Amino acid sequence: DQQVKQNSPSLSVQEGRISILNCDYTNSMFDYFLWYKKYPAEGPTFLISISSIKDKNEDGRFTVFLNKSAKHLSLHIVPSQPGDSAVYFCASDNYGQNFVFGPGTRLSVLP
Amino acid sequence: NAGVTQTPKFQVLKTGQSMTLQCAQDMNHNSMYWYRQDPGMGLRLIYYSASEGTTDKGEVPNGYNVSRLNKREFSLRLESAAPSQTSVYFCASSEAYSYGYTFGSGTRLTVV
Repeated sequence: DQQVKQNSPSLSVQEGRISILNCDYTNSMFDYFLWYKKYPAEGPTFLISISSIKDKNEDGRFTVFLNKSAKHLSLHIVPSQPGDSAVYFCASDNYGQNFVFGPGTRLSVLP
Repeated sequence: NAGVTQTPKFQVLKTGQSMTLQCAQDMNHNSMYWYRQDPGMGLRLIYYSASEGTTDKGEVPNGYNVSRLNKREFSLRLESAAPSQTSVYFCASSEAYSYGYTFGSGTRLTVV
């Protein structure tokens, strides 16, 4: 059973609007999370992270929110741009040894 | 600044053939990882090496072996390829754990 879930395989958003990508995890011991962005034929690249001591982390147009009680995090992209079209992976620290990844959400930002 | 380099980029194997996927990083990172990406499954960890001289199994190690040749290089070997090993393979490295991984561009492997 997947420990990190991204229940929306795809999402389409109009340019300039907000994109919200969601991620749920099952292990309450997970305490550090990252988002990666992946373009076709390239490796994933680190986007933004959040530790469980925070409930929000912001970096430019990207903000990640963490709700520990719900074991849920979300990535907000405001405003969305066509160049943001990619697959986004949520990942959780696995007891400090490696990261567990979700299945990804494909974001399409329409001009 | 190459980062993480994987070779080859594409490979087609027949069932039962063997091959080695190569990975090298030039960032002096201690830890290296091999993941496979399959549709709907995300990235699943095959093996990792926390430091030179150590390797550990990940979530899906069966059918694979690894070698941490030195600090820079971490190879993944398929001894007898099976169609279920058709996937995109990513190598990654990390130093400061809080910054996550730096990934290579991937190897697309097809086993027929």
